[in-house]
Amino acid sequence: DAKTTQPNSMESNEEEPVHLPCNHSTISGTDYIHWYRQLPSQGPEYVIHGLTSNVNNRMASLAIAEDRKSSTLILHRATLRDAAVYYCILRDVSYGGSQGNLIFGKGTKLSVKP
Amino acid sequence: DTEVTQTPKHLVMGMTNKKSLKCEQHMGHRAMYWYKQKAKKPPELMFVYSYEKLSINESVPSRFSPECPNSSLLNLHLHALQPEDSALYLCASSPARQTSSYNEQFFGPGTRLTVL
Repeated sequence: DAKTTQPNSMESNEEEPVHLPCNHSTISGTDYIHWYRQLPSQGPEYVIHGLTSNVNNRMASLAIAEDRKSSTLILHRATLRDAAVYYCILRDVSYGGSQGNLIFGKGTKLSVKP
Repeated sequence: DTEVTQTPKHLVMGMTNKKSLKCEQHMGHRAMYWYKQKAKKPPELMFVYSYEKLSINESVPSRFSPECPNSSLLNLHLHALQPEDSALYLCASSPARQTSSYNEQFFGPGTRLTVL
């Protein structure tokens, strides 16, 4: 499985935007870029995913580099509730591939200051 | 209902005990998963069930025995565990693996297991 590299930790101020980077230089054409987050004492939850184009949903935006070797999760206005570990995961959904299993890396621990 | 429930929330067991963890979802998902998460580490995939059949076993020791009795239920039977098996055990589900909508996994809150 292609690997991802994320900073161990990041800090943000409440109500400011947060840009969480992820490098995935060995990404293949059939890898989707997924982001999950895990709040304290909870199971992970899906945030967003994309293949080539930038994506927006109610939780966040995902900006994908043109060469797909990196991506950035953007939280437009961080709240205290956004403090969590954010995981960037590549999922190969091609037939015969790993069939989309989630292989978690170490993730980025985001702290949000009031 | 977009919830995955897990019982019990906490479990303490001795090395000679037999216990079971239970996971349930009513979203019509046909893929279900068990993950293990040690403290301050990311979740690690253990088992994958697809259409009630075991499709992936990530070299998990036989003291962990999964079971999928129907499309809504997933069990993890535990026997002769070791203290190093103490961890948070997470269950997840997703739409059928073969469909294009197979993207998002829904996780339960986990069972915190302590082996004495």
